[in-house]
Formats: sequence, C-alpha cells, structure tokens
Amino acid sequence: DSGVTQTPKHLITATGQRVTLRCSPRSGDLSVYWYQQSLDQGLQFLIQYYNGEERAKGNILERFSAQQFPDLHSELNLSSLELGDSALYFCASRPWGSGAYNEQFFGPGTRLTVL
Amino acid sequence: AQTVTQSQPEMSVQEAETVTLSCTYDTSESNYYLFWYKQPPSRQMILVIRQEAYKQQNATENRFSVNFQKAAKSFSLKISDSQLGDTAMYFCAFMALNNAGNMLTFGGGTRLMVKP
Repeated sequence: DSGVTQTPKHLITATGQRVTLRCSPRSGDLSVYWYQQSLDQGLQFLIQYYNGEERAKGNILERFSAQQFPDLHSELNLSSLELGDSALYFCASRPWGSGAYNEQFFGPGTRLTVL
Repeated sequence: AQTVTQSQPEMSVQEAETVTLSCTYDTSESNYYLFWYKQPPSRQMILVIRQEAYKQQNATENRFSVNFQKAAKSFSLKISDSQLGDTAMYFCAFMALNNAGNMLTFGGGTRLMVKP
C-alpha cells in the first residue's frame, strides 16, 4: 500500500458524459501528479499540482481539467468523454525537500471505461 | 523533451535464471533520476529501483540491479534468481531535476514472463 488513495476504482460511463476522479496523496506530500495509461498512448503525464497550484502540464486535453484543494486532495475532471478516453488513470504523490529521493508513490488507479 | 525507449516488448525467463531488460533514453538534461517500475496484473505501479545520474555506482536492491551507462544513455535492469512473482510489465522512467515539474517520462514497457 503506497498510501495514495484513488476513488472510484472503476467507472463506466457513456460518450459525452463528464466524470470526476479523486486522489488523496500520502500524508504530508504536497505534490500530486496525474498520469494516463492507455493501450495506444502508453503511460503519459497529464498534469501536476504543488500545494494547490498548477505546476506543470503534459499531454492533457482541453476537455480535461484538474485542481488541488487546500486539504491537498486532487480531482481530475474529464468532460465530453470519447471512446478513446477509456484508460487507467493514476495519481501519484511525491514528498518534497532534501532526502526525499524524488520517488513518486502511485495510487491503485481508476479504470475508466467509456461506452 | 525527453524520450525513453524500451526495445523489448516481451521477454521470458526460466525461474531461478537471470534476465536483463534494456532501456535507452535521450535527454539534454544533466541532473536527473532514472527508475524501473513494475506493474503486476493488479496494475499497481511499484518502484523497483532508482538511480541518480550523478552517481557512478550502479544501484542494487536485493535481486535487482542496474547497469547505468551515462555516456551511452543506457539503463538496463538485471533480475537475478527470477521468481514467478516477477512476472509483470516493467517500465523504465526518466525524471529531470529542474523547475519544470519533475514529471516521469515512461518507456513503452517490457512484458516479462517467468516460467516455472
């Protein structure tokens, strides 16, 4: 158990719909990363938040957005869903400061199926 | 931008034998980390081993060791005394240490099957 929690574990929805994925980082970790794992794109970085502020953006679609709240949990919002958005979405958190070894701890993922 | 390449989509090894997974990367960064992650059928991403680019000594973690060739931009993973539980997807990953967010860039993965 990495200490990172993600809900829900599975999500099945229809095209055109909107969903919200939730992530709670490890206690004390300020940085949250979102990754998408799909068959055709592999594992790719979407977006990072640090202490409530957006820090970096990767290959994230305009239909997707995220935020990090004062309690440090993060939500990834996916809208106007398409079949190709079906994927496993991971959240990872990372400690900050010296001696942190720069390791990212991954949650169990949310499997999204768009029908 | 960084790229990570794993040239072996699938590999198999007999239980108790040794196997080496290959990874090459391309970057202009000078300060970075390299990682190997394991993803078993449960889909959980598990860190296997990490290597700081400034360290010349290759990292080892029990049965897992790396061969880090910085000039060649190569970072292979050796698994000794392979066990059935090592069956998984293995991802090589790169992380630059700069102010751009320190995200992970992953290779395409190698599916490893350990046979009894």
